[in-house]
This record gives sequence, structure tokens and C-alpha cells, in this order.
Amino acid sequence: DAGVTQSPTHLIKTRGQQVTLRCSPISGHKSVSWYQQVLGQGPQFIFQYYEKEERGRGNFPDRFSARQFPNYSSELNVNALLLGDSALYLCASNPGGPSYNEQFFGPGTRLTVL
Amino acid sequence: DQQVKQNSPSLSVQEGRISILNCDYTNSMFDYFLWYKKYPAEGPTFLISISSIKDKNEDGRFTVFLNKSAKHLSLHIVPSQPGDSAVYFCATGNTPLVFGKGTRLSVIA
Repeated sequence: DAGVTQSPTHLIKTRGQQVTLRCSPISGHKSVSWYQQVLGQGPQFIFQYYEKEERGRGNFPDRFSARQFPNYSSELNVNALLLGDSALYLCASNPGGPSYNEQFFGPGTRLTVL
Repeated sequence: DQQVKQNSPSLSVQEGRISILNCDYTNSMFDYFLWYKKYPAEGPTFLISISSIKDKNEDGRFTVFLNKSAKHLSLHIVPSQPGDSAVYFCATGNTPLVFGKGTRLSVIA
């Protein structure tokens, strides 16, 4: 069975640019979450979507936005990139409702902002 | 303010010995905890979890202990194997997941 997939694997952008990251959840999973992992830190929650609706948002600026599509895949958009946005962006899915505990993570997209 | 703390950034253990990874949390309302393992260039992989109604959960070589009064949990790996070398994250299971900073475990053959 395919796990959570993310694209692209790596990305290099310059300050001020915009980026879109993509995620496909495990088949049958309706909840998708996004996390940012900066070097030396644990993953930090950005967004959760369930049944195409935003169900949670972490402490991130409005430059970060996301959406979930009818097929439950998701995109994370980041506008006006800053150097500090350089991180590993992880997508996670789970089969249950938004309160389901275990998350299944994809391999991540490594974003470098120059 | 960190809600989940892993105070040891790294741990080195001989193959065959016990590895003990520690985690502290601040909110007594947290009632479910998970451990994730992460290899380089991969996403975190679920390892084991524990509910606050238990004080111990075992899965093969992995055991998690929960001390609610101390707001402390630990992951024991016995015996440790070189393939266990990875970064281990403790997380609360209350949505959304809140992670500690991780502990890098190195198992030396």
C-alpha cells in the first residue's frame, strides 16, 4: 500500500518568492495535517484539514495557507518567503476524524530559501 | 514555552544494552502520548503509544512507561540494535500533535 506522498522532494527558492507543496494522503484517509520541522527542532503543527475544511491552525503567519481537494490531497502555500521558512515540511494523514491520535507521515519536502 | 521536553539531545549506547529515552510534559490534561522514530530523509514513523489510563505499554523490544504524577514518560529499547540509530520524538496525542525536540540515539556495534 502506498504511504503518504509529497512533492517535490527538494525545492530552492529566493526570498520574496511563493511556493506550493503537495501531499497525497494514504488511500481512505480523509484528514491531512501539515508540519514544519526546522533543523534541531521537532515538527511544529501548521494546519489540519478534514473533509476539505480547515479544522486547526498553528501559530504561523497569514503567509501560510492550505487547502484540501475533493480527493483529499492537499496543498500548502507559502507567500513572501523568508530565510526562516527554510525547513522540512511534513504532511501527515490519518483515517479517522480530526481527533484521531496517530498520524502517518510522508517523507517531507525540504525547502531552502536563499 | 515548550509543552513537551526532551532534555537529552543525544544518547549513545552499546549494541545489546538498554536505551532509555526520556520526555517531560507540562499539561496534565494530556492523556495520550506517542513515540516516533525518524531516519534521515524520511518522515517520522510511529513506534509506540500509551494512554493515560495505563502506566506501561510494551511492543516487542520497545516499552513506554508513563508517570502521570511526575508528568514524565520514557521509552526503553532492549536490546538496542544498530538499526535503532535514529532521532526519537516524543509527542502528545491530543490533536494536533505536539512534539519534543527529539533525541538522537546512536547504537554502537
